[in-house]
Amino acid sequence: DTAVSQTPKYLVTQMGNDKSIKCEQNLGHDTMYWYKQDSKKFLKIMFSYNNKELIINETVPNRFSPKSPDKAHLNLHINSLELGDSAVYFCASSQDLRLRVGSSVLTDTQYFGPGTRLTVL
Amino acid sequence: AQKITQTQPGMFVQEKEAVTLDCTYDTSDPSYGLFWYKQPSSGEMIFLIYQGSYDQQNATEGRYSLNFQKARKSANLVISASQLGDSAMYFCAMREGRNAGNMLTFGGGTRLMVKP
Repeated sequence: DTAVSQTPKYLVTQMGNDKSIKCEQNLGHDTMYWYKQDSKKFLKIMFSYNNKELIINETVPNRFSPKSPDKAHLNLHINSLELGDSAVYFCASSQDLRLRVGSSVLTDTQYFGPGTRLTVL
Repeated sequence: AQKITQTQPGMFVQEKEAVTLDCTYDTSDPSYGLFWYKQPSSGEMIFLIYQGSYDQQNATEGRYSLNFQKARKSANLVISASQLGDSAMYFCAMREGRNAGNMLTFGGGTRLMVKP
């Protein structure tokens, strides 16, 4: 009954390859995200996505693309992997507050998956 | 300018004592949310506590409380009665307004080590 799950947990691959990381949430949330955590533990947003719009952090290379087959899934596809892509990638999900006008109780707390450690050789 | 600043890269605390982890933030948006997450050595990100900018009272969740000082733009996490299992990285994060994407901006984190 994991809330946010990611596969695989570890991914080791060669430079130049294309790979995907899968994410699923069973929380009924509207919005899903991808974050990257570098070797210094710094977390940075990559994408935010709901079924209406994709918001891309401008610093993300276009080799990275999110793909959402349905509301509960947001996969991350990476083309032409580079050494600098080595990191831990976290998927997260939350409610979209913009859809709940006037609520003072609901929060948009993001719940994270366990992370995928990507190593590019 | 940094949106979220955590000035303590590492901290020690004696078991059973209280500890405060600092977080300051920078935003001109009147509506925002502040979050704390814990990341143990196993790597997962665990949500701890949330404070909304319009909340009148400081948030509390069990042994965690948030010392929210709006005028000073600080949102320090207080952990009471520290336990060995509290040893972890702690991240402060902010969501500004009802921004497109509801994205979080994270601080650099504080590594807390609880001594027996």
